[in-house]
Amino acid sequence: AQKITQTQPGMFVQEKEAVTLDCTYDTSDQSYGLFWYKQPSSGEMIFLIYQGSYDEQNATEGRYSLNFQKARKSANLVISASQLGDSAMYFCAMREGSNAGNNRKLIWGLGTSLAVNP
Amino acid sequence: EPEVTQTPSHQVTQMGQEVILRCVPISNHLYFYWYRQILGQKVEFLVSFYNNEISEKSEIFDDQFSVERPDGSNFTLKIRSTKLEDSAMYFCASSDPLELYGYTFGSGTRLTVV
Repeated sequence: AQKITQTQPGMFVQEKEAVTLDCTYDTSDQSYGLFWYKQPSSGEMIFLIYQGSYDEQNATEGRYSLNFQKARKSANLVISASQLGDSAMYFCAMREGSNAGNNRKLIWGLGTSLAVNP
Repeated sequence: EPEVTQTPSHQVTQMGQEVILRCVPISNHLYFYWYRQILGQKVEFLVSFYNNEISEKSEIFDDQFSVERPDGSNFTLKIRSTKLEDSAMYFCASSDPLELYGYTFGSGTRLTVV
């Protein structure tokens, strides 16, 4: 079974509008972390936002917010006021276990390709 | 802002040759990782390294692969006898346990095996 599921291979959004990118996860760990990364066409992996499993509030970083619904095991990324430069691949990833452990690999979804239209 | 540096950015190699991908992690980070991303596919974990030894490796990381931290600053991934299917983007990352979300990725090395 997939640990990280991103069901939207591609998304379109008009410039200045908000867009939600879906991510669901599967883990039996009580402690885990959820990440979103942006990968532009140049290929680098850019960290966007993090949500810990024990965080009670949804994470926000500028125009990015994470809609964390623990019972549903979903961690959707919301980008507000989309810009042309937001066009990229977006990956959801999970770290199982606490950040204090040695086993700290990230498990990745397949990604969502976002295109922002002018 | 501290960054993870990877060299080279692109490498083309003949099938069967050995390649070494180099990474300079952030100096105060303790955990190091290699991931790969085959074109158009998801990112896959290869190996994690802590305290000068491998802490975890995936089933992809077979005897063809090895990692080393030769001099306290560089972190290398060696691929012996490359195969066509090794063509991918290889990412190095480092992290600090005191930073909740402190995974920093390098810009990647695009390896093409011909």
